Amino acid sequence: GAVVSQHPSWVICKSGTSVKIECRSLDFQATTMFWYRQFPKQSLMLMATSNEGSKATYEQGVEKDKFLINHASLTLSTLTVTSAHPEDSSFYICSAPTSVNTEAFFGQGTRLTVV
Amino acid sequence: EDQVTQSPEALRLQEGESSSLNCSYTVSGLRGLFWYRQDPGKGPEFLFTLYSAGEEKEKERLKATLTKKESFLHITAPKPEDSATYLCAVQAWGNNNAGNMLTFGGGTRLMVKP
Repeated sequence: GAVVSQHPSWVICKSGTSVKIECRSLDFQATTMFWYRQFPKQSLMLMATSNEGSKATYEQGVEKDKFLINHASLTLSTLTVTSAHPEDSSFYICSAPTSVNTEAFFGQGTRLTVV
Repeated sequence: EDQVTQSPEALRLQEGESSSLNCSYTVSGLRGLFWYRQDPGKGPEFLFTLYSAGEEKEKERLKATLTKKESFLHITAPKPEDSATYLCAVQAWGNNNAGNMLTFGGGTRLMVKP
């Protein structure tokens, strides 16, 4: 299957700092990527859709200014958690479909811990 | 609004004890139903896509089936390495986000004891 690489796999940061998470499609181009958040023992919650060359689409309740998304190229989307607080600690996962109407392939996830 | 409900939430099996996981869905128009496996601390791993009622797909000890209201993931003679969380997701026609947005169920945590 297609490969989606997410980096870093885990990060610990101090409260008030910003953290950037990268999501790369390694062997295909992705005009759309999705960012999810997952709490322990819960399912994936879609945060936003990242669109190459245009603004991201955020789900209801997700703060655009806090979770900055940039999709600068057809193989890279980044999620920046700005001014992180302990309640932002979570598992963040990205995904990308290889084309329209196909299954999405997921990155390995990033465990963010804000102390 | 699309909804996906998985049951049971958790399932304990003895090695070799076959069982089924259920995924019930409500969607305006089903484009595809997806099954993923997720190990702790990892991203979901794609297993199957089903597109129409009556369709079945198999991979090793797993078999996925689809009706108009639900999907089943049958596990035959499971092994301890099958222990994971199994996620079901639907993709609906008419989504604005390039048509690829997935709505996930809560997942079933499967534990297979040797």
